[in-house]
Amino acid sequence: AQKVTQAQTEISVVEKEDVTLDCVYETRDTTYYLFWYKQPPSGELVFLIRRNSFDEQNEISGRYSWNFQKSTSSFNFTITASQVVDSAVYFCALSEALSYNTDKLIFGTGTRLQVFP
Amino acid sequence: DGGITQSPKYLFRKEGQNVTLSCEQNLNHDAMYWYRQDPGQGLRLIYYSQIVNDFQKGDIAEGYSVSREKKESFPLTVTSAQKNPTAFYLCASNGLDSTSTDTQYFGPGTRLTVL
Repeated sequence: AQKVTQAQTEISVVEKEDVTLDCVYETRDTTYYLFWYKQPPSGELVFLIRRNSFDEQNEISGRYSWNFQKSTSSFNFTITASQVVDSAVYFCALSEALSYNTDKLIFGTGTRLQVFP
Repeated sequence: DGGITQSPKYLFRKEGQNVTLSCEQNLNHDAMYWYRQDPGQGLRLIYYSQIVNDFQKGDIAEGYSVSREKKESFPLTVTSAQKNPTAFYLCASNGLDSTSTDTQYFGPGTRLTVL
């Protein structure tokens, strides 16, 4: 069965610390996408990254970086030099194809990150 | 600005009432979705639509209904048959990225509370 596990329910750090959010997934598909979304207190889901299952290159975007390892079915997210504005719930998600233009996103339960000044 | 809007932001419903949540997008996306989020949990798929006049049940469709009469609009009705409707509802849409499904973008959500 398709599944996403975010074992860390809540993480608290002090500003400028680095923090890594873990994501482990299970899928029977050979082609799939992995995502990270940020949910600030306002509730809207903000897209951060999409990764194709055939592309295992790590990605860096400013203070954010992602480590995709198919061998361990993990797609971890690191925030470098965290800031108070990074405080949010972060969701990892896995796509499951429904049709030619629709996917179901299978979400983990989220990790709440609190960054203290 | 292009995006997805949902209204209302907060909705209160009495037991036994049907309510309709609005979702509109001006991104020219064919595909639209409704997800439900319960506290401390991830999102679960209620309904999705590939194209106008088409929609399919997701994992938790019981007690919900949808319509897709216009490309821009995908309203969700929470019926009295839904036993536990209090939740946060999020609408999403996506286009196509060359030959594959593109990223889903989400609206701001509607928080429904049953009194």
